[in-house]
Amino acid sequence: DGGITQSPKYLFRKEGQNVTLSCEQNLNHDAMYWYRQDPGQGLRLIYYSQIVNDFQKGDIAEGYSVSREKKESFPLTVTSAQKNPTAFYLCASQSGGRSYNEQFFGPGTRLTVL
Amino acid sequence: GNSVTQMEGPVTLSEEAFLTINCTYTATGYPSLFWYVQYPGEGLQLLLKATKADDKGSNKGFEATYRKETTSFHLEKGSVQVSDSAVYFCALRETSGSRLTFGEGTQLTVNP
Repeated sequence: DGGITQSPKYLFRKEGQNVTLSCEQNLNHDAMYWYRQDPGQGLRLIYYSQIVNDFQKGDIAEGYSVSREKKESFPLTVTSAQKNPTAFYLCASQSGGRSYNEQFFGPGTRLTVL
Repeated sequence: GNSVTQMEGPVTLSEEAFLTINCTYTATGYPSLFWYVQYPGEGLQLLLKATKADDKGSNKGFEATYRKETTSFHLEKGSVQVSDSAVYFCALRETSGSRLTFGEGTQLTVNP
């Protein structure tokens, strides 16, 4: 089955540690996205990538980093510089650049920093 | 810039009630409009979309019509079920853009 996988589903880290969230897609999509969701709030864009080896900052990129070395993979690193990293993180992908193309979402990773 | 405004939640209805969740937007040009649904602890799923003025998107009994004159894309369902309990997000994408702009989401709870 084609889709987006995110692992792990739940992640616990100590304050001050960097942590990397995995996102893999087998939909052959060019574009990939990372969002952050806080309780009772909408989605905020962290980073996005429209092609391999290229990515752009979203609205809340500070304290995060990404790489896009393969079309299928778009890992997100939450660094110790991110002041409030506890949140639900969603990865998405999209085929092509048409405005009407939908984004497909993974199941999310819930990160808790202790 | 672009923005999406949804009616404030949470919304609580009894089973078989009529549902309306309001969504209005601000954008330049002719954006595509989307409704996504998020069930507890999961990612988002596309519910329906519309790509031009007067288009009606529909799926699973839900409908929304792209109204350019009122810059709105209100979500409706004639008879909700307990299984419709979820968070609903309205979103837009500009014609030339690659980013989605989301509303803040509306929590819907349907009681039996």
